[in-house]
Amino acid sequence: GQQVMQIPQYQHVQEGEDFTTYCNSSTTLSNIQWYKQRPGGHPVFLIQLVKSGEVKKQKRLTFQFGEAKKNSSLHITATQTTDVGTYFCAGPEIQGAQKLVFGQGTRLTINP
Amino acid sequence: DGGITQSPKYLFRKEGQNVTLSCEQNLNHDAMYWYRQDPGQGLRLIYYSQIVNDFQKGDIAEGYSVSREKKESFPLTVTSAQKNPTAFYLCASSIGDRDASEQFFGPGTRLTVL
Repeated sequence: GQQVMQIPQYQHVQEGEDFTTYCNSSTTLSNIQWYKQRPGGHPVFLIQLVKSGEVKKQKRLTFQFGEAKKNSSLHITATQTTDVGTYFCAGPEIQGAQKLVFGQGTRLTINP
Repeated sequence: DGGITQSPKYLFRKEGQNVTLSCEQNLNHDAMYWYRQDPGQGLRLIYYSQIVNDFQKGDIAEGYSVSREKKESFPLTVTSAQKNPTAFYLCASSIGDRDASEQFFGPGTRLTVL
């Protein structure tokens, strides 16, 4: 079945440093979604990318969808302590399906 | 105030007992989901429902059961057949009318089996 892999599994940075997490799918995706889960909390939807090569920005966060629609990345510029949490990517199991396949997540910790 | 509610937040159960976790949404979403999350792990799909009175098994359905009698409600029963039920359970919903729309998650229930 479809697999969604994320790297790295863990990342520890100094506050102010940049952070990037990468997501790779075994199949072409119709869209990719990113979620953030704060420690002790629940996942919260961040963004959805649909088009090949799409780039979207949310303040210090930049999301990219690969040209082949099989990979994606999330880059945070100048991390702040509020960025702490686990970032998940997810894609539809098959096109037209409601079921999402989630990556294992990248856990970001920050040294203030 | 629209959203998803799950109750209780913390639940303790003795081994061998069945327990039902509640999930209610007032977002008028057609699709609902149950996930299990273990410490430091990702989300694993237990069951999902795309419409009332219909549901499908996810990746780890063994030892769990669900019902979808109302659009707003999707309770999950953790049965005594579930060998390792201690985990964080998350309910989610989505509009369900197009290709994998974004999911809205409830606050979760932490189940501990004693």
